[in-house]
Amino acid sequence: AQTVTQSQPEMSVQEAETVTLSCTYDTSESNYYLFWYKQPPSRQMILVIRQEAYKQQNATENRFSVNFQKAAKSFSLKISDSQLGDTAMYFCAFMKPIYGGSQGNLIFGKGTKLSVKP
Amino acid sequence: NAGVTQTPKFQVLKTGQSMTLQCAQDMNHNSMYWYRQDPGMGLRLIYYSASEGTTDKGEVPNGYNVSRLNKREFSLRLESAAPSQTSVYFCASSDRTGPNTEAFFGQGTRLTVV
Repeated sequence: AQTVTQSQPEMSVQEAETVTLSCTYDTSESNYYLFWYKQPPSRQMILVIRQEAYKQQNATENRFSVNFQKAAKSFSLKISDSQLGDTAMYFCAFMKPIYGGSQGNLIFGKGTKLSVKP
Repeated sequence: NAGVTQTPKFQVLKTGQSMTLQCAQDMNHNSMYWYRQDPGMGLRLIYYSASEGTTDKGEVPNGYNVSRLNKREFSLRLESAAPSQTSVYFCASSDRTGPNTEAFFGQGTRLTVV
């Protein structure tokens, strides 16, 4: 069974600085998807960034980028130029592709609570 | 541009009461899911539906039933609520066959069982 581990329950960063959130996962699959979701106090789950395991290039979305290390099964999220609106819970998630009978559901880590301080 | 709509947003139940959480999506997705979120636990899968007319258990199905009424709607029922079911519930949908595999979430339902 796949597992996702986020080892940092809480983190804080000063506004405009850079912060990295860690995520490791365990799987025997060779192809899969990895995601970072943001959950602000509004409770809405918002997709931040997605990485497909067969792609070697790290995904980027504006101020958000990932460091995907497939051999190490590591998928960290870097937030540059942190803004007050980045304050949220961040979840790392894993999904198997649909072939081979996958349910297509997400397997989540326990989350990292990020506080951006002015 | 509704996406995934859940109702209600908040609910308080007494132990033993029943209720149904409603979920509808307008993105023509085949797959729909129910998750629960507990403090320090992340989101865990309760039930899922790969297509209209099919449902399967996830990681934590005990105490719940689901119905995939049609392609748009997927409801979650608590027959006899227990305090252990106090949680935030999320419905999600995805297009598992598409190139941009992504799950879209509803706004969540905060359920308190007293």
